Amino acid sequence: DQQVKQNSPSLSVQEGRISILNCDYTNSMFDYFLWYKKYPAEGPTFLISISSIKDKNEDGRFTVFLNKSAKHLSLHIVPSQPGDSAVYFCAARNTGNQFYFGTGTSLTVIP
Amino acid sequence: KAGVTQTPRYLIKTRGQQVTLSCSPISGHRSVSWYQQTPGQGLQFLFEYFSETQRNKGNFPGRFSGRQFSNSRSEMNVSTLELGDSALYLCASSFQGRSEKLFFGSGTQLSVL
Repeated sequence: DQQVKQNSPSLSVQEGRISILNCDYTNSMFDYFLWYKKYPAEGPTFLISISSIKDKNEDGRFTVFLNKSAKHLSLHIVPSQPGDSAVYFCAARNTGNQFYFGTGTSLTVIP
Repeated sequence: KAGVTQTPRYLIKTRGQQVTLSCSPISGHRSVSWYQQTPGQGLQFLFEYFSETQRNKGNFPGRFSGRQFSNSRSEMNVSTLELGDSALYLCASSFQGRSEKLFFGSGTQLSVL
């Protein structure tokens, strides 16, 4: 039962362009959403988050958008840099403090 | 401040054996969660401990168990290992009872032969 889905396993983007990573969820009771970045042989590191009462949160080059009616979350990276190449996981928290993660999208930024 | 520490980093076992993985959370963090990562499956939630009590549990068989000690350190045990248990096991800690961010360790890569 995959409650958080990332339907694109991989994405390639030219350096300097925008990267858009997408995430869909099924549970309308999720109240907090996060994006994590993961390099090989390392644990995921927190990138950015958004509460369900907001529709946008920005932190430098990273912006997360939340569309509650569509149950859709997206991460925008502008401009993309080669160091952004990693696997990105979206995650959602339910009211019971349990986090659900997507299957990840592997982003490659081409110099 | 030291991050989340998981030991060992790598482990090779054979089918039928059991294994214990260890996780030391960030100092002051009282919540510890365990996740299994396999290719194509993302991070699957195993269980969460808060103040030595299991607070949440994922959909894994009873062969997977855990515990948390009074110093918040946690262990995860898998008994009667199967080939499908080969995965990266990640531990995450957080400070509050209602977590807004999880801090992950580097994981233990378990290979079952």
